[in-house]
Amino acid sequence: GNSVTQMEGPVTLSEEAFLTINCTYTATGYPSLFWYVQYPGEGLQLLLKATKADDKGSNKGFEATYRKETTSFHLEKGSVQVSDSAVYFCALSGNSGAGSYQLTFGKGTKLSVIP
Amino acid sequence: EAGVVQSPRYKIIEKKQPVAFWCNPISGHNTLYWYLQNLGQGPELLIRYENEEAVDDSQLPKDRFSAERLKGVDSTLKIQPAELGDSAVYLCASSLDVADTQYFGPGTRLTVL
Repeated sequence: GNSVTQMEGPVTLSEEAFLTINCTYTATGYPSLFWYVQYPGEGLQLLLKATKADDKGSNKGFEATYRKETTSFHLEKGSVQVSDSAVYFCALSGNSGAGSYQLTFGKGTKLSVIP
Repeated sequence: EAGVVQSPRYKIIEKKQPVAFWCNPISGHNTLYWYLQNLGQGPELLIRYENEEAVDDSQLPKDRFSAERLKGVDSTLKIQPAELGDSAVYLCASSLDVADTQYFGPGTRLTVL
């Protein structure tokens, strides 16, 4: 079945530091890949997505590239801000077969950015 | 445009009591999802509706959980009776259609004492 593995947290960074949160996946076919963010007390918000190999999703300074050869979708940001403190979830959605379109999430990585 | 609305935001009940959660999806969204999110984990799908039809409920514990989506708009998720292990956040999401981006509500945090 489909699965997502993302780096364990929590991650604590100083403001303006570089961020990488690793995400790898296992899936059949050609899944779509997503990063969702969950701010304290709020629901999940879509941060970015990529639907095919070599696509780069980007939003609010965050980027992730769909790497089929390494089955990865690592999240990066060049300079984090205190307001980026949240839990980040990597997820995939299958495009065919059983469980199609069902989102499978990783366990989440909590990011804390300190001034 | 209003997002997915859920109520209540928080609920505390004693074990063996019933509880219900309500979700109002984004207007025009045909597909509605209920997810369970345990502490420190990612959401897991409980049930998916396409319009008023439950098309994927394989992860729903049917002995105590039930859901409905009358008229293909609002949805209710019920637990009867609740158990201690049901303490979690229950998330509702909706999408235009099954292949489109899912948008999540703020969730209902259930505590069973």
